[in-house]
Amino acid sequence: QQQVKQSPQSLIVQKGGISIINCAYENTAFDYFPWYQQFPGKGPALLIAIRPDVSEKKEGRFTISFNKSAKQFSLHIMDSQPGDSATYFCAVHSGGYNKLIFGAGTRLAVHP
Amino acid sequence: EPEVTQTPSHQVTQMGQEVILRCVPISNHLYFYWYRQILGQKVEFLVSFYNNEISEKSEIFDDQFSVERPDGSNFTLKIRSTKLEDSAMYFCASTPRRENEAFFGQGTRLTVV
Repeated sequence: QQQVKQSPQSLIVQKGGISIINCAYENTAFDYFPWYQQFPGKGPALLIAIRPDVSEKKEGRFTISFNKSAKQFSLHIMDSQPGDSATYFCAVHSGGYNKLIFGAGTRLAVHP
Repeated sequence: EPEVTQTPSHQVTQMGQEVILRCVPISNHLYFYWYRQILGQKVEFLVSFYNNEISEKSEIFDDQFSVERPDGSNFTLKIRSTKLEDSAMYFCASTPRRENEAFFGQGTRLTVV
């Protein structure tokens, strides 16, 4: 059962452009929605996270938009830079269980 | 900045052998986790551990797997009899509270041959 659907699988953006990655979830009991960034050979690192009581959260160039009724949330990277090239994973925290469920990942390439 | 440390960074083992992957979580964290990532795929939850017992485990975490916190600082994952399909990156993570930012280690790449 795929509890978190992430799209697109891969994304190519020009430097300075906006990168948008989307996730959809099924279970309304999820209560915490983080985005993780992973560079090759490294562990996932938390980028930004949101809780369901707000619709948007912005930290620097990174913004999460959250649509509770549609059960969707997205990551926007403004002014994308080559250093942003990485794999991005959305995740949900299972409300009744103590674990993160990850999306399949989006490989982002920002071309100079 | 505090971090989760994992050793070794790479482990090669023969099929059927036992391996122990080691982790030192962040010192004031209370919840500990193991996740794995098969090459090119998503990160999958294996097990969570709190108050010296398993609080949640996935279907992947069968009888071949066990976790232990043998002292106040280490958190280990043991695979009793490794299979080829156990080859993956194994990540340890810890959180200070139940629903909080999970800090991940750099991972141990396990290769079963």
